[in-house]
Amino acid sequence: DAKTTQPTSMDCAEGRAANLPCNHSTISGNEYVYWYRQIHSQGPQYIIHGLKNNETNEMASLIITEDRKSSTLILPHATLRDTAVYYCIVRVEYGGATNKLIFGTGTLLAVQP
Amino acid sequence: DTAVSQTPKYLVTQMGNDKSIKCEQNLGHDTMYWYKQDSKKFLKIMFSYNNKELIINETVPNRFSPKSPDKAHLNLHINSLELGDSAVYFCASSPDGLAGGKQFFGPGTRLTVL
Repeated sequence: DAKTTQPTSMDCAEGRAANLPCNHSTISGNEYVYWYRQIHSQGPQYIIHGLKNNETNEMASLIITEDRKSSTLILPHATLRDTAVYYCIVRVEYGGATNKLIFGTGTLLAVQP
Repeated sequence: DTAVSQTPKYLVTQMGNDKSIKCEQNLGHDTMYWYKQDSKKFLKIMFSYNNKELIINETVPNRFSPKSPDKAHLNLHINSLELGDSAVYFCASSPDGLAGGKQFFGPGTRLTVL
């Protein structure tokens, strides 16, 4: 089972920041938080990941609370092409060499014109 | 310049048939995966191979047999197809170790069993 809880859906106006929350209250100290998205009819796409510090890349920012029990993915200027299902995933280590991602139900972000 | 490619994109077949889906990655990764996304959109890992060695087998029926001829390819062969096998199958690859959570997915193969 997924170790994360996300809202089923959210709306965001085009050009505004989209803030997608995720709860992972049972996360272990060495588990990372990953974000992926899946645009309709495409394969999932990696966005960003972090352990405890906030992270930023060209796609998004990731804010992780100090207790690590929740995080927020921020798309600073959402566009219509950002409409997708966004998955928050806690990475489970499996056998050391290979890591398993457990996808939950995700948040359907609908960017409105 | 496709990083992870799958063929075919669509596959329609009758119950009881045997079919294969091919996957290739040109990223130089050591680890490859197969995921299944069902009609309810749940995406679940099926298999993982690291350097041609099976690492993860998520209680998938033994009608499903992955084959990795080299580390750039991971094919999925399905015997005696059933209606419940209808789904979108995604191949993915990743580096090893701490970077293993950053997985690159293919475009998917939509399998329809009639």
